[in-house]
This record gives sequence, structure tokens and C-alpha cells, in this order.
Amino acid sequence: EAGVAQSPRYKIIEKRQSVAFWCNPISGHATLYWYQQILGQGPKLLIQFQNNGVVDDSQLPKDRFSAERLKGVDSTLKIQPAKLEDSAVYLCASSLDGETNSPLHFGNGTRLTVT
Amino acid sequence: KQEVTQIPAALSVPEGENLVLNCSFTDSAIYNLQWFRQDPGKGLTSLLLIQSSQREQTSGRLNASLDKSSGRSTLYIAASQPGDSATYLCAVCRAVNQFYFGTGTSLTVIP
Repeated sequence: EAGVAQSPRYKIIEKRQSVAFWCNPISGHATLYWYQQILGQGPKLLIQFQNNGVVDDSQLPKDRFSAERLKGVDSTLKIQPAKLEDSAVYLCASSLDGETNSPLHFGNGTRLTVT
Repeated sequence: KQEVTQIPAALSVPEGENLVLNCSFTDSAIYNLQWFRQDPGKGLTSLLLIQSSQREQTSGRLNASLDKSSGRSTLYIAASQPGDSATYLCAVCRAVNQFYFGTGTSLTVIP
């Protein structure tokens, strides 16, 4: 089966600019996650979707970050305006159906550098 | 809030050695625990998932154990190889697929 697809792989922007990341989960996976991974740390959940509804966005900095999954398939994550501390790898993951024992499948991530 | 700790942060071993990576968590009310591997510049690859009712899972040279009552999991790698060099992360799952990640153990296997 095809894995989780993410683009772009790398992005370099200046602070205060905007940026968008795209994710296409594994076909049929209802649950989609966006994680932020700062160098040397474990992934931190930003937002979790179940189909096209938000399950958890408690750690999403909503003043600058937004995400959508309009048709319950692919998703975009946007940062506007970016700050230096947003430099990180943004990982998208999906799982089958939201059941508690569905393993997570990750994409290769987008490495963002804010200068 | 669930806190997940992985010790050591880094480990270097000669090829062929057996090794154990540790993961501890503060809240024993979990649904499952997953071990992942992350290669530089890549996403996370799922290695093993242990359900809360299980004590261990095995895949090839990997064996993961779970002791919920003590809040611990271990990943045992037998006969390590240079290709095993990567960062290994554990993640604990609570309700509604909430995953809490550790900071990982960076493993280097020296040929």
C-alpha cells in the first residue's frame, strides 16, 4: 500500500512569511494527525482529525496555525505569520479508523527553517 | 498528563551485541504502546505495537515488553547490526488515539 505522502520535503522562509504543508494519508485511513518535531525532541501533537472533524487541537497555536481536512482525505497545515521558533519538522500521520489499537503510519515530514 | 521518558538519550554498541532500550510512563491507564524507528531526515516507522492486555510482542530480532503496573516498556534488539543505527521512540496511547511520545534513544551500532 502507498504510504503517507507529504510535500514539500523542505521549506525555508523568513519570519513573518506564511507557509503551507500538504498531506495525503493512506487510503481509507479515517484519522489524520499533524505533529511538530523540534530537533532532539519527540513529536508533539498539533491537531488530530477524524474524517473531516477536529478531535483534538488543544496544542495548536491558533493565532498563527490553521489546518483543514475538508473532504476527509488530504489535509493542509498553514502557518501565518511564521516565527523563528516554528523551525521544526512537521510530520503527518494516519491511522485506520480511530480504534485504539490502530498503529500510526508517518510520512517523511516537511523540514521547515525560519530565518 | 502522561509523561514519557526514554533513557539513555544515546547509546553506542559494537556490532553483534544484544541491547535494551527503556521507556517509562507516568500513567498506567494506557490502551497500547508503540515503538518506532526514525532514520535521519525521515518520518517514524512503526516497529511493534503492544496492546494493554499483552506482555510482549516480537518481530524478527526485536522484542518489546510491557509492564503497565510499573509504567515500563523495553525494546530488546538481538545481535545488533550497523543498519539498526537510528533513533528509537516509544509512544503511549490513551483514549481517542492520543499518543504521547518520548524524546527517543539515539542508537549507534559500530561495525
